[in-house]
Amino acid sequence: EAQVTQNPRYLITVTGKKLTVTCSQNMNHEYMSWYRQDPGLGLRQIYYSMNVEVTDKGDVPEGYKVSRKEKRNFPLILESPSPNQTSLYFCASSLRPGRSYEQYFGPGTRLTVT
Amino acid sequence: GQQVMQIPQYQHVQEGEDFTTYCNSSTTLSNIQWYKQRPGGHPVFLIQLVKSGEVKKQKRLTFQFGEAKKNSSLHITATQTTDVGTYFCASGTYKYIFGTGTRLKVLA
Repeated sequence: EAQVTQNPRYLITVTGKKLTVTCSQNMNHEYMSWYRQDPGLGLRQIYYSMNVEVTDKGDVPEGYKVSRKEKRNFPLILESPSPNQTSLYFCASSLRPGRSYEQYFGPGTRLTVT
Repeated sequence: GQQVMQIPQYQHVQEGEDFTTYCNSSTTLSNIQWYKQRPGGHPVFLIQLVKSGEVKKQKRLTFQFGEAKKNSSLHITATQTTDVGTYFCASGTYKYIFGTGTRLKVLA
């Protein structure tokens, strides 16, 4: 089944404790992206990747890191989480960058930072 | 930076009534995509429009892209309880901007 998977689905952590949210897709998509969703603000793009080893900032990259060492995986790293990073995170992928392809979203990761 | 405003923020309708949500941008958009997110779920792609003045239909859903490519609308005819959710517009190629969403409630 073609899908985007994220782990963990739920995470409660404390300020400053490094964490990684994994994202994997099995559709051989070149483009992957991370979003955060907050009430009243919609979805805001954190980082995106146009292909392996090619990443760039979205609208809200501060406090986040990403890497794209393999085509299928695009982990989101929070080196020192803070309470304002409490949010619902979605990973998405699409076939190819530079064209207007639909994005497939993962199920989401709900992160709480205390 | 570029912003896409979406209105209304919330809409409650009686089942069978029509519903419309609007996206407006101050700058020209290269394309517009529409997504639906069910409560507790993830966004699911509905459609994409790229041409000025384009209109597309999917059963009871009608999507329009403005002539100036600065606005778009999604219209649902005769809403059903299955239409409940939040509808987002989005635009971009690598870097995407999403509207704030319209949450639709359908009262049976």
